Amino acid sequence: NAGVMQNPRHLVRRRGQEARLRCSPMKGHSHVYWYRQLPEEGLKFMVYLQKENIIDESGMPKERFSAEFPKEGPSILRIQQVVRGDSAAYFCASSDRDRAGRGYTFGSGTRLTVV
Amino acid sequence: GQQLNQSPQSMFIQEGEDVSMNCTSSSIFNTWLWYKQDPGEGPVLLIALYKAGELTSNGRLTAQFGITRKDSFLNISASIPSDVGIYFCAGPEETSGSRLTFGEGTQLTVNP
Repeated sequence: NAGVMQNPRHLVRRRGQEARLRCSPMKGHSHVYWYRQLPEEGLKFMVYLQKENIIDESGMPKERFSAEFPKEGPSILRIQQVVRGDSAAYFCASSDRDRAGRGYTFGSGTRLTVV
Repeated sequence: GQQLNQSPQSMFIQEGEDVSMNCTSSSIFNTWLWYKQDPGEGPVLLIALYKAGELTSNGRLTAQFGITRKDSFLNISASIPSDVGIYFCAGPEETSGSRLTFGEGTQLTVNP
């Protein structure tokens, strides 16, 4: 399967712990987007990265959240000191160039539960 | 930011029936996208619309880009059980084409 790969699929963390979500883009793709979906809601944009650069992080909370897309390896969304309100599904998408207007491909998501 | 409003929020239909759902916005979108999300999965692109008035089909699915650029609808004909899921409309934000705005979704249930 050459699609966008996210892991883990499910992640349980206690309040105050750190959560690390990984996204491996499709082969040849250098653009990655992260979205969050709260229960019963649509997806909300968080951050857009290219290799080694954050292009747009306007949707990311200012505290506790960070994202990276290193030259080698997957993109990582990191949530420090998780709280119950962070419980959500986090989706990653990738593209070979900036193509939100063409509808990029999403992964299956990581479902984070904070207990 | 821009918002997309979808209706209805949920639909319960019998297998074989046709379905229609729509998406409206108070601001103009230059592209309309329709996604389907199966339980436990990520959204999958069904149809993309790029021109006002455009009518596009994908199998039993048909979508239209409203003339005013502020609305779009999706029709599903002869529904089958595997059509169950959440249908989202989405469009690139005016201020940043890299960001997609999503509607809140229409939950479709098909009874066999």
